[in-house]
Amino acid sequence: EVQLVESGGGLVQPGGSLRLSCAASGFTFSSYWMHWVRQAPGKGLVWVSRINSDGSSTSHADSVKGRITISRDNAKNSLFLQLNSLRPEDTAVYYCARSYYYNDYWGQGTLVTVSS
Amino acid sequence: DIVMTQSPDSLAVSLGERATINCKSSQSVLYSSNNKNYLAWYQQKPGQPLFIYWASTRESGVPDRFSGSGSGTDFTLTISSLQAEDVAVYYCQQYYSTPFGGGTKVEIK
Repeated sequence: EVQLVESGGGLVQPGGSLRLSCAASGFTFSSYWMHWVRQAPGKGLVWVSRINSDGSSTSHADSVKGRITISRDNAKNSLFLQLNSLRPEDTAVYYCARSYYYNDYWGQGTLVTVSS
Repeated sequence: DIVMTQSPDSLAVSLGERATINCKSSQSVLYSSNNKNYLAWYQQKPGQPLFIYWASTRESGVPDRFSGSGSGTDFTLTISSLQAEDVAVYYCQQYYSTPFGGGTKVEIK
């Protein structure tokens, strides 16, 4: 069974940093591109970032460019999102999602709250 | 950048009636390399959200009252006979460069 479990969310002050993790199981993690998608309270889904299967290529949304780093450890079946210089508007549930063209499996999300 | 526009923002339909959600892309998402529309629909409620991919292929387990149609820039998600369990927010996404539409909330009238 494919499982994606996010962790690392929490309350952080503006300007702070967080590192989100996504533990993958039930599939050959190293064969798939992976994405992060976020959803602010009461708002829609917004794509954040993606990484290709071997980690050699990444892409980010303009709203977070320069403030985030996506990475992966295929040996540990794990995906990461480093969030820096956090702003209140980064407050959201962050989902990791597997990509086979479309996002076919999603985690349950981890909540990041940016507030003083 | 491709922009996805969904309409309406919300929709109230009587049980057993048809619900129609529209999704328009600012550029064609039909790619000549494989003649496929890179368009997916997701249902946001507990469980896996993927509902329809390649514009019209239902994910395993999705009831056949749901159908996707369209090509190029204009797409539609239709619920032929709305059931109570279909209440959710639905999103379209073009997955060539990944942006989502704004979402459509479907409710019971």
